[in-house]
Amino acid sequence: DGGITQSPKYLFRKEGQNVTLSCEQNLNHDAMYWYRQDPGQGLRLIYYSQIVNDFQKGDIAEGYSVSREKKESFPLTVTSAQKNPTAFYLCAAGGDYSPLHFGNGTRLTVT
Amino acid sequence: AQTVTQSQPEMSVQEAETVTLSCTYDTSESDYYLFWYKQPPSRQMILVIRQEAYKQQNATENRFSVNFQKAAKSFSLKISDSQLGDAAMYFCAEWNYGGSQGNLIFGKGTKLSVKP
Repeated sequence: DGGITQSPKYLFRKEGQNVTLSCEQNLNHDAMYWYRQDPGQGLRLIYYSQIVNDFQKGDIAEGYSVSREKKESFPLTVTSAQKNPTAFYLCAAGGDYSPLHFGNGTRLTVT
Repeated sequence: AQTVTQSQPEMSVQEAETVTLSCTYDTSESDYYLFWYKQPPSRQMILVIRQEAYKQQNATENRFSVNFQKAAKSFSLKISDSQLGDAAMYFCAEWNYGGSQGNLIFGKGTKLSVKP
């Protein structure tokens, strides 16, 4: 089945630690995206990549980093510089003029 | 800057009845798409319906239809014959294809409850 796989579903970390969220797609889409969702909020764009080895900051990129070494993979690292990292993170992929397909998300809790 | 506004934080509908969720947007682009996404308790984002701005005809997908008023920048979602499984958060979103950044701008969502 084609789709977006995010892992893990739940992630717990201590404050001050970096953590990496995985996102893999087999839809052959060029573009991939990371969104953050907080209670009572819509989705906000963290980073996006339209092609391998290239990525752009979104609206709330501070404290996050990404890489795009392969078309299928777009991991997100939440660094210790992110002041409020506890949130629900959604990865998505899409092609030109096609709507985004989303993964099932990762719930990150930092204590 | 693009904005998407959903003025109804919560809505409720009786099973089998019809409900309309409101959405307005603000863009200066001429080439854009509008979407409604559903997010059930599982939290997966599911595409419900989409509308190309250049099309005058309102999109329809089974029990879901939109009322697209381009001049008013309004994009409401009508759910007919509501079912218990329709209970979810609904997000309106806009995507400008004209710019170099492909970014889906979301509203804050409307929580829909369906009463049996």
